[in-house]
Amino acid sequence: GDSVTQMEGPVTLSEEAFLTINCTYTATGYPSLFWYVQYPGEGLQLLLKATKADDKGSNKGFEATYRKETTSFHLEKGSVQVSDSAVYFCALGISSGSARQLTFGSGTQLTVLP
Amino acid sequence: KAGVTQTPRYLIKTRGQQVTLSCSPISGHRSVSWYQQTPGQGLQFLFEYFSETQRNKGNFPGRFSGRQFSNSRSEMNVSTLELGDSALYLCASSDPSGTDTQYFGPGTRLTVL
Repeated sequence: GDSVTQMEGPVTLSEEAFLTINCTYTATGYPSLFWYVQYPGEGLQLLLKATKADDKGSNKGFEATYRKETTSFHLEKGSVQVSDSAVYFCALGISSGSARQLTFGSGTQLTVLP
Repeated sequence: KAGVTQTPRYLIKTRGQQVTLSCSPISGHRSVSWYQQTPGQGLQFLFEYFSETQRNKGNFPGRFSGRQFSNSRSEMNVSTLELGDSALYLCASSDPSGTDTQYFGPGTRLTVL
């Protein structure tokens, strides 16, 4: 079945460091790929998305490129801030007929120290 | 536009009871999905509703059920609560005419004692 494998956490970085969170997927068909972020006590916020191969999603300095050949969607940010501390989830979305469902990775806890 | 809203935000129940959670999607969104989030199992898909019909269902026991109303608002019900049902229940809505993008509410934190 469809699955998402995400880099194990927790990840601790100093402010202004470079961030990479690895995400690979297994899917039949052509999924859309997403990164969501969850702050403590809150729901999931959409961070960025890509709907087809070679698309690059970007938002708030975060970027991820849909790589079909390596089945990957790694999240990157050039300079993290303390406010980026949160849990990050990689997800794939499959539309089967008209139904929709997201399959999530296990999440990566990021802590950014000042 | 207002985002996805969920009520209540917090619930405490005891084993054997039942519970109903409510979700109001983003205006104009007709698809509503529910997810369960636990530390052990992560985020798992429960079911999806569109135009008052369940289109898709995850691998959960029949104690978990849902419905959708004509105004797209959705409820999920859990009967005969078990300790393991303690979780954050997240609702998401999407515009089925667009991409698969789902927008999430803040969740309902259910604690079963």
